[in-house]
Amino acid sequence: GESVGLHLPTLSVQEGDNSIINCAYSNSASDYFIWYKQESGKGPQFIIDIRSNMDKRQGQRVTVLLNKTVKHLSLQIAATQPGDSAVYFCAEIPGGSYIPTFGRGTSLIVHP
Amino acid sequence: EAGVTQFPSHSVIEKGQTVTLRCDPISGHDNLYWYRRVMGKEIKFLLHFVKESKQDESGMPNNRFLAERTGGTYSTLKVQPAELEDSGVYFCASSRLGPYTGELFFGEGSRLTVL
Repeated sequence: GESVGLHLPTLSVQEGDNSIINCAYSNSASDYFIWYKQESGKGPQFIIDIRSNMDKRQGQRVTVLLNKTVKHLSLQIAATQPGDSAVYFCAEIPGGSYIPTFGRGTSLIVHP
Repeated sequence: EAGVTQFPSHSVIEKGQTVTLRCDPISGHDNLYWYRRVMGKEIKFLLHFVKESKQDESGMPNNRFLAERTGGTYSTLKVQPAELEDSGVYFCASSRLGPYTGELFFGEGSRLTVL
């Protein structure tokens, strides 16, 4: 399969710690933001999304924060587990578009 | 429900040869997308079908790439002739029409290596 983590920004954490993955987006007209998780050898999988009229959204063990002032998005993972090890991509969707534009990705490595 | 399936999972060809990648979306998904990821870089958009119609092909790199979706079901992406820089993983994704959720369902990708 693909070596998804090669040459990517990397975050290493211990099992049980909280993880914060950051993303800077480029288009101030984007009104929809999504986080995807890609495990080695698999395709990206939807985690959570947030609209631009919100600044926080929570899911199961994950929270997404949106700061439109500085065009910054973050994904917080609580009590990180080895199964969370993957590459995480943020994606933005400009208003009126149906095409997610993906960032470069961050590799999360969780040590047991 | 079967997920998005892609074939082949891995193809190794020589520069100048032709390769055709196939994507079977989830049944009932009218939106179909092709993306490409070069190792270590972002996942780049190639094109978007709604049923059999190309809605947006702004990401197609050049005329060596041809995508089709005859009958609005499966899609093929042909690269002819292949160049070294075409190497990467080609992802297909699908979603339903209707209220937009941003959730695309991706296949596992077709890894293309051009030698």
